[in-house]
Amino acid sequence: AIQMTQSPSSLSASVGDRVTITCRASQDVRNEVGWYQQKPGRAPKLLIYAASTLQTGVPSRFSGSGSGTDFTFTISSLQPEDFATYYCLQDTNFPITFGGGTKVDLK
Amino acid sequence: QISLKESGPALVKPAQTLTLTCTFSGFSLTNTGMGVAWIRQPPGKALEWLALIYWDDDKHYSPSLESRLTITKDTSKNQVVLTMTDMHPVDTATYYCAHPLHTIDGDGGGFDFWGQGTLVTVTS
Repeated sequence: AIQMTQSPSSLSASVGDRVTITCRASQDVRNEVGWYQQKPGRAPKLLIYAASTLQTGVPSRFSGSGSGTDFTFTISSLQPEDFATYYCLQDTNFPITFGGGTKVDLK
Repeated sequence: QISLKESGPALVKPAQTLTLTCTFSGFSLTNTGMGVAWIRQPPGKALEWLALIYWDDDKHYSPSLESRLTITKDTSKNQVVLTMTDMHPVDTATYYCAHPLHTIDGDGGGFDFWGQGTLVTVTS
């Protein structure tokens, strides 16, 4: 199975900060990576698919980049509603695998 | 608009079989490219993909759980059922069903619509 190593596992940031999260795949996953936001007690929400495509309705402060094995997710200016846990996912091969998550909380 | 909803027991005893139903609307599993997946999340832990079934009855399972899982579809009812045998306390989790992203370009990235999730607790 392809492992998605996500880092950091947690970070503290302030409103307005630029936040960057990375995922490294254990083998080439092309661009078949998605990024999700999850708030407590809620289902995950797709933010980015195909590594860099913004899902419909998602604010443009969210972005993604990368291909092959290294991927980056960025929030350009952190907003109060962005405090949450973020996950990457690959679905280039079965089994589909998720990263371990990054919890973003208030500094 | 696509929506999905999970249903099933909240409590299961160890060694019992869990049966979960995903009832969906806004798409049909008779249409090419459509599918439904199951994903779970133990309390305070990360997401784990379990299984996926496609419109053509192609099925995929998590290798670590494959011997315990069965996924089936009922297209007339717009339902997908997941059964998991021999439940253990470590299987305590919120179980989600989700709709795989399906674009003209075949883009990857997982799941664009999710159910609200159902918490299943395994305890004697």
